[in-house]
Amino acid sequence: AQSVTQLDSQVPVFEEAPVELRCNYSSSVSVYLFWYVQYPNQGLQLLLKYLSGSTLVKGINGFEAEFNKSQTSFHLRKPSVHISDTAEYFCAVSGANAGGTSYGKLTFGQGTILTVHP
Amino acid sequence: GAVVSQHPSRVICKSGTSVKIECRSLDFQATTMFWYRQFPKKSLMLMATSNEGSKATYEQGVEKDKFLINHASLTLSTLTVTSAHPEDSSFYICSASYGDIQYFGAGTRLSVL
Repeated sequence: AQSVTQLDSQVPVFEEAPVELRCNYSSSVSVYLFWYVQYPNQGLQLLLKYLSGSTLVKGINGFEAEFNKSQTSFHLRKPSVHISDTAEYFCAVSGANAGGTSYGKLTFGQGTILTVHP
Repeated sequence: GAVVSQHPSRVICKSGTSVKIECRSLDFQATTMFWYRQFPKKSLMLMATSNEGSKATYEQGVEKDKFLINHASLTLSTLTVTSAHPEDSSFYICSASYGDIQYFGAGTRLSVL
């Protein structure tokens, strides 16, 4: 079984400031890690993913995240945020078997609301 | 690519009626689709895993007879909320697996009066 903890429920920042949204996970098996963004009354859009390879992954809209296995973390970062980045961000994990195939089911964190102020 | 369409986006119904929500993968075939429920200011709760051609696998605590799931083809899964009551009012979101990634629909806001 997996669990995900997003340490901050709300993160307010000013426009053009850097931001980090924190995510820690626990799992007894290998994991795939994801960040999704949700705008009000909409579904989830995939920002980025870590499946294997380089631990620093780049996603859409200038976001990036780093997989840290020893700290079981997958924090999301952006060097300079825009007003349009205001949304709720979800970290998610799925387990993977020894062959590297995902079990499919996602476990989500509680979400972090990012609010960018002018 | 990897677009998932969910319909309707919003539905208002009377207590006791049934509501069907459709989830379609538009440009890929999805052997597995997932249905989630999201409460206000809460995260997504997985309700069930829908596999094409077989019965859905429901998460603990989710009533199978209340939330009927049909995955009749590789591009369509439906969720029917039977005899809906006000406590079923929520935001329902589907997703479809493409490789190791889930792609999400835009969600359906269900309001039961």
